[in-house]
Amino acid sequence: DAGVIQSPRHEVTEMGQEVTLRCKPISGHNSLFWYRQTMMRGLELLIYFNNNVPIDDSGMPEDRFSAKMPNASFSTLKIQPSEPRDSAVYFCASSLVGRRTEAFFGQGTRLTVV
Amino acid sequence: AQKITQTQPGMFVQEKEAVTLDCTYDTSDQSYGLFWYKQPSSGEMIFLIYQGSYDEQNATEGRYSLNFQKARKSANLVISASQLGDSAMYFCAMRAYNNNDMRFGAGTRLTVKP
Repeated sequence: DAGVIQSPRHEVTEMGQEVTLRCKPISGHNSLFWYRQTMMRGLELLIYFNNNVPIDDSGMPEDRFSAKMPNASFSTLKIQPSEPRDSAVYFCASSLVGRRTEAFFGQGTRLTVV
Repeated sequence: AQKITQTQPGMFVQEKEAVTLDCTYDTSDQSYGLFWYKQPSSGEMIFLIYQGSYDEQNATEGRYSLNFQKARKSANLVISASQLGDSAMYFCAMRAYNNNDMRFGAGTRLTVKP
């Protein structure tokens, strides 16, 4: 398996623009997580899905952020409009719901908003 | 949501010596898993070791062991015979199995000295 695939790996955008981050989880995994990593706030859980259903989005910073999982093999995290404080590394991770299963992480998307 | 605390922002250890990285957690859940991940300077998240809340024995994986003290809600990572390649950020995480929520501590930056 190719692992969790995130795209793009790097994104530089201007303030006010829409940004869409993409994630393809490991085939067969039924849980997907979006995290944001910054020096100041560490690894924050933004939202997670079980069986394509959003379970907890309380970590989403504000209404500018939205996430979807239209099917088991694809998820997006959208920021509209983007702001410089959104600059961070965004990780997607997938796992099997249940015990004794670690989450597998993608390589991350480094977002810079100028 | 559960809270995970790593009180050591940075740690130093001499090559070939053992080091303990601290992790405590706060949860009302009875069934959960504890995880440690390594993040080298390249940025990827590497799973190291897992401990289930009902496991009676401490987990071990090669040079990694987890000192699990359930009553104290601690899950410290012990790395034996440190190597220069162990220099990285280390994150403790907890997943509650009733809802699959998975959150991380702030991390500890370990530096191995030659």
